[in-house]
Order: sequence, then structure tokens, then C-alpha cells
Amino acid sequence: EAEVAQSPRYKITEKSQAVAFWCDPISGHATLYWYRQILGQGPELLVQFQDESVVDDSQLPKDRFSAERLKGVDSTLKIQPAELGDSAMYLCASSLTGGRRDTQYFGPGTRLTVL
Amino acid sequence: AQKITQTQPGMFVQEKEAVTLDCTYDTSDPSYGLFWYKQPSSGEMIFLIYQGSYDQQNATEGRYSLNFQKARKSANLVISASQLGDSAMYFCAWPGSARQLTFGSGTQLTVLP
Repeated sequence: EAEVAQSPRYKITEKSQAVAFWCDPISGHATLYWYRQILGQGPELLVQFQDESVVDDSQLPKDRFSAERLKGVDSTLKIQPAELGDSAMYLCASSLTGGRRDTQYFGPGTRLTVL
Repeated sequence: AQKITQTQPGMFVQEKEAVTLDCTYDTSDPSYGLFWYKQPSSGEMIFLIYQGSYDQQNATEGRYSLNFQKARKSANLVISASQLGDSAMYFCAWPGSARQLTFGSGTQLTVLP
């Protein structure tokens, strides 16, 4: 069964360092999402791609976060510099077309701890 | 503002019994239905079930079913014959106008042996 891949699964870093997360969506899925989930809360969207284009990055803290999906396949989310408040689970999801009835399938997530 | 509410922070159920997890929505456009996801302690968000708001019959996927009541603006998840492996966090989510999912705050379900 096709799955969304993410790496690393866990990342511990010190504040002011740079971190990067990678996501490989289900093959053929045009839409890719990055969510951030703070402990005890539901995930919140950071950025949404349709193929290689950004559709929505209104919730992305652009002073320190960046995301790219250069060839419309896999994607990288970067934080530079990391802050204590960035400690969270970062989830990547993909869907076939991005339609509102389209199911989003999630990867295993990257659990980030900033010390 | 769009709002998805899960009023049960935690629920306990005996193994093999059924349990209902509540979800209500207060959105400007409920026409696209609701999703339910399960999140075990490992962190992965697992899709369980979806129902469109205009679907005539409640959706069913194995032991999961949706009790969608538009008049009450609720889409409750029913898990039948609970198993120990059902212990997890459960989220309902609405596909918002920007095509992103808006999640509720979740319900932590614990299945007791």
C-alpha cells in the first residue's frame, strides 16, 4: 500500500540552529501539505502545494520557515533559526487532486524538540 | 470563523463494547462533509472515514461508522466492538474553504481490557 514518507522521524536541535524535514508523497498525488501539531492540539496547516506551486502559505512564519517542492514530487520544509516554540510534530500529507472531498493521507511525522 | 468542536477530551470504553465520539461543526459552508482520523501515540495520522454532508446514508468502514445529523451540525464517530488497539487520539476534520483541513481538539480514547 502506498504511503507518505517522512524523515527524520525525530530531531533534537538547539535554538538558533537550522533544521530540515523531508517528505515524499504518495506517487501521483498532486497536492502536498505541511502541518504543525503542538502537543495536545489538532494539526494546523503551514503550507500547501499544488504540483510545484504554493497554493497557501498564509500560516507559514516566513521569517524563519521556508518550503519547496521543486519538481512537484518530494518536498523540504526548513526552519532557520529554530526557536523553543517550534517544538512540535511536523506532519506531511498528500492528496490526489486537492479537492475538498479528497482524502489527505499523512506520513509518520517528524517530532522536533528544540533545546 | 470556522469551528470544529470535540467536547470529550477523554473517553474510556470496555473492550468489545461500542463507543461514540462526538464532533460538532459551525462552519459557513458545511457542504463538504467531515473526515475522521486516528492518531496513535506513534504520531501518524490515520484516515478512518469520510462522509459528504449530502450523502443519503451514513458512511461505514468496517467497525467505524458516522452518525451525521445535519440539523444538529454533528458528525459523530461510532466504533463498534472496541479493541485494545483502538486506544488513540481521534480527530474530526472539516475540509475548509481553502481546501485545508480544520481539525478539532481531539478525543483521547482508552480501551480497557
